[in-house]
Amino acid sequence: AQTVTQSQPEMSVQEAETVTLSCTYDTSENNYYLFWYKQPPSRQMILVIRQEAYKQQNATENRFSVNFQKAAKSFSLKISDSQLGDTAMYFCAFFYNTDKLIFGTGTRLQVFP
Amino acid sequence: GAGVSQSPSNKVTEKGKDVELRCDPISGHTALYWYRQSLGQGLEFLIYFQGNSAPDKSGLPSDRFSAERTGGSVSTLTIQRTQQEDSAVYLCASSSPRDTITYEQYFGPGTRLTVT
Repeated sequence: AQTVTQSQPEMSVQEAETVTLSCTYDTSENNYYLFWYKQPPSRQMILVIRQEAYKQQNATENRFSVNFQKAAKSFSLKISDSQLGDTAMYFCAFFYNTDKLIFGTGTRLQVFP
Repeated sequence: GAGVSQSPSNKVTEKGKDVELRCDPISGHTALYWYRQSLGQGLEFLIYFQGNSAPDKSGLPSDRFSAERTGGSVSTLTIQRTQQEDSAVYLCASSSPRDTITYEQYFGPGTRLTVT
């Protein structure tokens, strides 16, 4: 069975600085998808970034980028130039042909002015 | 266009009562998912619909939980004889058949259920 682990329950960062959120997963599959979702206090889950496992190139979306290490089963999220609006819960999620997302327990990120 | 909507936004019920939670997916999205988010926890998969069929019900925690989807659109999650451990945020998501490359799921704002 696939599992997703986020070992940092809480993180904080100063505005304009860079922060990295960690995620590891366990699977025996070769082709799968990984996601980072953001959940602000409004509860609305918002997709931040996705990575296809068959792609070696790390995904980037503006200030958000990932460090995908397939062999190590690691999928960290880097947020550059942090903004106050980045304050939220961040969830790492795994998807493989089972039509359901498997989520980690989340990291609460606080951005301070 | 409109996103996924859920109702009610918040629901407080007494232990032992039945509750119904509603999800309206994005128009045209054939896949619909229910997840549960307990306090301080990640999201836990409950059930998945493809059209009106539910090929994966593996996440339903007990036979008090059931869900249906009609017309390939609206879905209702029903919890019978609610217990305090059912208190959580229930999230619904949908995805488009055209998203077989991205597999992106679009989430609703959730229903916060409190069982007293």
